[in-house]
Amino acid sequence: SAVISQKPSRDICQRGTSLTIQCQVDSQVTMMFWYRQQPGQSLTLIATANQGSEATYESGFVIDKFPISRPNLTFSTLTVSNMSPEDSSIYLCSDQTGSYGYTFGSGTRLTVV
Amino acid sequence: AQKITQTQPGMFVQEKEAVTLDCTYDTSDPSYGLFWYKQPSSGEMIFLIYQGSYDQQNATEGRYSLNFQKARKSANLVISASQLGDSAMYFCAIAHGFGNEKLTFGTGTRLTIIP
Repeated sequence: SAVISQKPSRDICQRGTSLTIQCQVDSQVTMMFWYRQQPGQSLTLIATANQGSEATYESGFVIDKFPISRPNLTFSTLTVSNMSPEDSSIYLCSDQTGSYGYTFGSGTRLTVV
Repeated sequence: AQKITQTQPGMFVQEKEAVTLDCTYDTSDPSYGLFWYKQPSSGEMIFLIYQGSYDQQNATEGRYSLNFQKARKSANLVISASQLGDSAMYFCAIAHGFGNEKLTFGTGTRLTIIP
C-alpha cells in the first residue's frame, strides 16, 4: 500500500487566516480524499480529489471554504480558509488504491484561536 | 446511502482478555467492503482488517478477526489476547463497489485496556 506524508502535523492559527495542508503520496493514485474529524467525533468526508478535474464536495462543504488542488497523481493540498474556532479539528487525507487499500496521512491537528 | 452504526461508545477490558467491538451497517448495494481502523491518541488512522461482501470466509489478521454475518449486516471486530497498546478509538467503515469509492465511518468505540 502507498505511504502518505502529510504536513503540517499540527498548527495553531489565528481566526480569519488560512492554512494549507499538503499530502504527498509515494506512488501514483487515482483518487484522494480529505476528511475532517471534529473533537470527539468520527471522520467526515470533505471532498474527493481527482487529478486534472475539480474536487467533488460533500454536502455541507464548499469550495470557497475548503479549496483543494490536485496538480498530479502524487500530491494534493487542502486549504482551510478564513478560519474560525469551529474549524479546529484533525484533517486527514487518504488515497484509495483498489478496493482493499485505503491509506491515511498522519493527520493535521488544527487549533484556531 | 450507506450507514454504519457502532453502539458501544466506550469499553473497558482486562488485559489478555478477548474483546468484541460491534458494527452494523445498512446498504442496498450487493457489492461493498467493510473496514476497521484503529486511531490512537496521536490521531493517525491505522488499517486493521478488511472484509469484502462476497468473501466466503471471515477475515483474519494476526490478533484481529472479523465476525461477518451478512444476513444480519454486522461486521464485528474481535481482538484476541488484548494488550495495553490496544487502547484507542476503533472505527468501522464501509465503501461501495470495487474502486474509487469513499469510506463512510461509524461513530467509533473507545477501547481502554485495564492492566
